[in-house]
Amino acid sequence: SQTIHQWPATLVQPVGSPLSLECTVEGTSNPNLYWYRQAAGRGLQLLFYSVGIGQISSEVPQNLSASRPQDRQFILSSKKLLLSDSGFYLCAWSVGSLMDQQYFGPGTRLTVT
Amino acid sequence: KQEVTQIPAALSVPEGENLVLNCSFTDSAIYNLQWFRQDPGKGLTSLLLIQSSQREQTSGRLNASLDKSSGRSTLYIAASQPGDSATYLCAVRGLFYNQGGKLIFGQGTELSVKP
Repeated sequence: SQTIHQWPATLVQPVGSPLSLECTVEGTSNPNLYWYRQAAGRGLQLLFYSVGIGQISSEVPQNLSASRPQDRQFILSSKKLLLSDSGFYLCAWSVGSLMDQQYFGPGTRLTVT
Repeated sequence: KQEVTQIPAALSVPEGENLVLNCSFTDSAIYNLQWFRQDPGKGLTSLLLIQSSQREQTSGRLNASLDKSSGRSTLYIAASQPGDSATYLCAVRGLFYNQGGKLIFGQGTELSVKP
């Protein structure tokens, strides 16, 4: 069966520091991968999605970036965090068409101080 | 631009009650609609997915309906239990592949079921 992992589970970082969040999926090949953010008082928002290694599409302009160095690994990064980057970051995966059901990971709670 | 609204934002009911959560969306050109459950500090669990050609889906005590023409969906929970307490999120997927399968989420309804 497929499982999705995210780490760390929680993170507290000062403004201006770098960020690296990791997501990995097990039990499937060539998944579509997604990064969402849930900010306080706002709905979940798609940040990036990827259909394959090295293929990243950005939905929202921001100081975040994403990379997919391996088939089942998706990384969310920032060179300098802003206070507004605080939130709950969720990784999701799907197989086949981008229109198919997405399955979500446990999330990472990021607090920028 | 698609917008998804969920009403009410919060709901508190006694155990055993039947309840309805509402979701509305502004653009009826959707591929499908999905209901999720989110426990505090946790990820999302998919409850029901309704394709645009379907009218409803059922799973156990849950029933979700879709009226695409009016831009509405409801999630019906029968015989509510304290374990149903969570935030329920509605999300729609646009019709076009080049949207990346993007899910547009509502802000959720926080449900509390009192014993």
